[in-house]
Amino acid sequence: AQSVAQPEDQVNVAEGNPLTVKCTYSVSGNPYLFWYVQYPNRGLQFLLKYITGDNLVKGSYGFEAEFNKSQTSFHLKKPSALVSDSALYFCAVRERQGAGSYQLTFGKGTKLSVIP
Amino acid sequence: GAGVSQSPSNKVTEKGKDVELRCDPISGHTALYWYRQSLGQGLEFLIYFQGNSAPDKSGLPSDRFSAERTGGSVSTLTIQRTQQEDSAVYLCASSPPGTGPNQPQHFGDGTRLSIL
Repeated sequence: AQSVAQPEDQVNVAEGNPLTVKCTYSVSGNPYLFWYVQYPNRGLQFLLKYITGDNLVKGSYGFEAEFNKSQTSFHLKKPSALVSDSALYFCAVRERQGAGSYQLTFGKGTKLSVIP
Repeated sequence: GAGVSQSPSNKVTEKGKDVELRCDPISGHTALYWYRQSLGQGLEFLIYFQGNSAPDKSGLPSDRFSAERTGGSVSTLTIQRTQQEDSAVYLCASSPPGTGPNQPQHFGDGTRLSIL
């Protein structure tokens, strides 16, 4: 079975500082990895994905994430946080093969607060 | 263009009543997913439709939950004899044809269901 852990319920960062939102995963094979963002009373918006190739993935709004196979991690990063980045962030994993390969498993989410 | 549309956006009902939640996916998207998001929890997979194939109902929490997808487009999630623990945000997502596991899902804004 696949699973995702987001160890921090909340992350606070000052505007202009770098931010990191952590994610670790567990799958039986090779993963597809995703980050989504959710603003209040809205659905999830896709930020970026890791499929294969370069371990550093760049996505929307200046976000990036680094795939680390040995640590089974896919942390989300941004060099300089904006107040408008404040939202709920979800990491998700999908196995590349197998009957469940269409099914995304989400972490519980991390609330990011960027302080002016 | 139009995104995934869900209705109603909010639903308040009494315990024991039946409710129907509607999802209108992006035109041309063949895959459709229902998720449940409870307070403090991640997204819980409920059901998956792909074209004319039999749906994957493995995530439905009880036989009070059912879903249909008519004509390969609009989907309805029905909860019978609602209980207070059914209170949550129900999210629908769709993805385009030829979808491999690396395709991101496009989410609607959800239906916030409150059971009194």
